[in-house]
Amino acid sequence: ETGVTQTPRHLVMGMTNKKSLKCEQHLGHNAMYWYKQSAKKPLELMFVYSLEERVENNSVPSRFSPECPNSSHLFLHLHTLQPEDSALYLCASSQEAYSYNSPLHFGNGTRLTVT
Amino acid sequence: AQTVTQSQPEMSVQEAETVTLSCTYDTSESDYYLFWYKQPPSRQMILVIRQEAYKQQNATENRFSVNFQKAAKSFSLKISDSQLGDAAMYFCAYRSLGEEYGNKLVFGAGTILRVKS
Repeated sequence: ETGVTQTPRHLVMGMTNKKSLKCEQHLGHNAMYWYKQSAKKPLELMFVYSLEERVENNSVPSRFSPECPNSSHLFLHLHTLQPEDSALYLCASSQEAYSYNSPLHFGNGTRLTVT
Repeated sequence: AQTVTQSQPEMSVQEAETVTLSCTYDTSESDYYLFWYKQPPSRQMILVIRQEAYKQQNATENRFSVNFQKAAKSFSLKISDSQLGDAAMYFCAYRSLGEEYGNKLVFGAGTILRVKS
């Protein structure tokens, strides 16, 4: 039990498909994040939610649409993706969004391949 | 904006020996946090160790320790008595405390550590 669970672990989708990534945290945290991990590049922060409110959106294309229905669940809705969107998408949570005393807890990620 | 640089894409170490992973960062802030995360093949990112910039004493966690050189903006990770389970990708990360930077966590590109038996 990692505390942060992501599903699915692997996803292959065509450019015209619509799919969603799911993240669930069992740690009672108030903040959740989406990161993108591409080969040979640093992790890129995509979105931050604090108490279900989006507090950060780092110039992410609109084909990525996050949703946070409650503090335990986070989704990333995908539509009309491009092959360069293929990457590992990591979800993380922390007790607070902007507290330096609040380390991130990561899930195992979803390996996304866009064909 | 802050940047984190890990200059070693890959490192190898013999089991039971010691290895040091390098990390440098660029910032104009005086107070911040630094972290090392480990990502094994399972892909889960695991916090290994963290250091508060205002603390001069280097952080240690069992076989893991850091060499924090604030003036040089260097934050290396030393793994002693390396074990096969230490094989992973290691990420250095910086967390700003300044409101203008939104307390973001900025990651380096990572270093792959291979442990030989």
